[in-house]
Amino acid sequence: NAGVTQTPKFRILKIGQSMTLQCTQDMNHNYMYWYRQDPGMGLKLIYYSVGAGITDKGEVPNGYNVSRSTTEDFPLRLELAAPSQTSVYFCASSYPGGVGSYEQYFGPGTRLTVT
Amino acid sequence: AQSVTQPDIHITVSEGASLELRCNYSYGATPYLFWYVQSPGQGLQLLLKYFSGDTLVQGIKGFEAEFKRSQSSFNLRKPSVHWSDAAEYFCAVFTSGTYKYIFGTGTRLKVLA
Repeated sequence: NAGVTQTPKFRILKIGQSMTLQCTQDMNHNYMYWYRQDPGMGLKLIYYSVGAGITDKGEVPNGYNVSRSTTEDFPLRLELAAPSQTSVYFCASSYPGGVGSYEQYFGPGTRLTVT
Repeated sequence: AQSVTQPDIHITVSEGASLELRCNYSYGATPYLFWYVQSPGQGLQLLLKYFSGDTLVQGIKGFEAEFKRSQSSFNLRKPSVHWSDAAEYFCAVFTSGTYKYIFGTGTRLKVLA
């Protein structure tokens, strides 16, 4: 299993540009999450999904959109990038019930700079 | 409101010394508790978790944590720290009613040779 993969690893955007951060997991996990981590800070939840076709906002959703058309993929869309969106973005997945349940598996992160 | 507090932002210990990182949570129901470690430039890796049962849980890399319901705490310990343990450590709680994880702000561990 590759686990949770994220692309790209690094990206520099100009203010006002848009981009999609890709996240894929091959563990058949129901739950998927997007977090951002600012320097010296913890993780802040942007959006999450408990299954294909179901998404919900976290604590910092403004400026972002998500979709979950398949169990495996959970892309994060940035529209009209702003300097405040400079951060490291982590995707994670988990599943309920059974051995290992509710453990979050994290991707390696995408480092985004908006200038 | 649910929350996780890690009171120590930075901790410095000498190699070979013991370590305790504090974590306090606020959650009405029985919590699912986790400790994660993040090395510089890396994602988060699970160290250990508590769901129920024995309140002392063992994890990877020689870490353990003790769940104390009366104190709403889930402190992480290691008897002898290695230089490779230098990293940031996050405590988290899973809130089953909302499907969300709440993370503490992290404790950055520095290990002196």
